[in-house]
Amino acid sequence: SAVISQKPSRDICQRGTSLTIQCQVDSQVTMMFWYRQQPGQSLTLIATANQGSEATYESGFVIDKFPISRPNLTFSTLTVSNMSPEDSSIYLCSVAKSAGANVLTFGAGSRLTVL
Amino acid sequence: GENVEQHPSTLSVQEGDSAVIKCTYSDSASNYFPWYKQELGKRPQLIIDIRSNVGEKKDQRIAVTLNKTAKHFSLHITETQPEDSAVYFCAASPMNDYKLSFGAGTTVTVRA
Repeated sequence: SAVISQKPSRDICQRGTSLTIQCQVDSQVTMMFWYRQQPGQSLTLIATANQGSEATYESGFVIDKFPISRPNLTFSTLTVSNMSPEDSSIYLCSVAKSAGANVLTFGAGSRLTVL
Repeated sequence: GENVEQHPSTLSVQEGDSAVIKCTYSDSASNYFPWYKQELGKRPQLIIDIRSNVGEKKDQRIAVTLNKTAKHFSLHITETQPEDSAVYFCAASPMNDYKLSFGAGTTVTVRA
């Protein structure tokens, strides 16, 4: 399966600032996703990162708050903008390696704490 | 969209006993059902999955069963060991749709 590197692994941020999380995969993948996992909760899909075009956001998530880039088939970034304490979560990158295979591999996550 | 419900939310078992976690889904178009294990502070990892063309799949001490008519699927762990202690998530997605809808998770504790 693909090896995913996410950074930062954790950060403490001030209210009102923005932070960009990077996701690097060791091989080309078809699909890349960003999930959020709030403390003690399940995984919620934020958006699908589309290579070369705008990301596809799930209900409740908007581009202004969570801008996403995917310049190629191995890299994506998620920015959490104008952060508030409610944004304190683990943000996980996940990938599906090939078309026709739903199997997702997750990165280790980026744990953000907003003060 | 798909709605996945998972029960129980917590499960405590004696080492060596079996553990069963059940999930139901709402979208009859769903046909891929993975189970992820997440240890404390770690990433979710796929432990087993099943597609709608089979009713049961086993991998050593882990098995998953699927009832498409009733729209539910279950994870069975036999001969539990302390290293099985973790949070387990079920998920569902339709064919050719990579988006997974996750259940709320079950915290499994195996008592030595």
